[in-house]
Amino acid sequence: AQSVTQLDSQVPVFEEAPVELRCNYSSSVSVYLFWYVQYPNQGLQLLLKYLSGSTLVKGINGFEAEFNKSQTSFHLRKPSVHISDTAEYFCAVSRGRGGSYIPTFGRGTSLIVHP
Amino acid sequence: DGGITQSPKYLFRKEGQNVTLSCEQNLNHDAMYWYRQDPGQGLRLIYYSQIVNDFQKGDIAEGYSVSREKKESFPLTVTSAQKNPTAFYLCASSKETSNNEQFFGPGTRLTVL
Repeated sequence: AQSVTQLDSQVPVFEEAPVELRCNYSSSVSVYLFWYVQYPNQGLQLLLKYLSGSTLVKGINGFEAEFNKSQTSFHLRKPSVHISDTAEYFCAVSRGRGGSYIPTFGRGTSLIVHP
Repeated sequence: DGGITQSPKYLFRKEGQNVTLSCEQNLNHDAMYWYRQDPGQGLRLIYYSQIVNDFQKGDIAEGYSVSREKKESFPLTVTSAQKNPTAFYLCASSKETSNNEQFFGPGTRLTVL
């Protein structure tokens, strides 16, 4: 079985400051990892994904994430946030070979950007 | 443009009534999913379907039913057996590939009075 833990339920930050949203996973097999963003009263949209290859993954809106296999983490970062980044962020894990292809989602982290 | 549509966006029903939420996709995806979202609980899987005329229960299927008669459509019925149906419901789809990136609809907010 696979699971995802998002360590912070809420992250407040000032505009133009850097931010890191933390995600740890557990899985007995190789994984694919995803970050999604959800704006209020909308569906989720993909920010970025790690399938294989380079452990540093760049996504949309200036976000990036680093896959760390030894620490089983996939933290999301942005060097300078904007007010429009205020949203809910979800980390998700699905299989590589042998595990469940159905993604498992974390509980979400609410990013609140203050002016 | 390809995408997923859910209707209606807001839905109000009286307790004890069944209600059906619509989900349609024109992405030619094989797999479709229904999730329930409650504050602070993330997304919980209700049902999923990998192919037409086949579907599987997710983690919280009790009180819900689905059908998959067409590739494009995956309606969800919230029955009167669902104890606490008020929630935000999200439909998603994906290609049947191992990387399994999901595409989400805009959601339906169901309120049971």
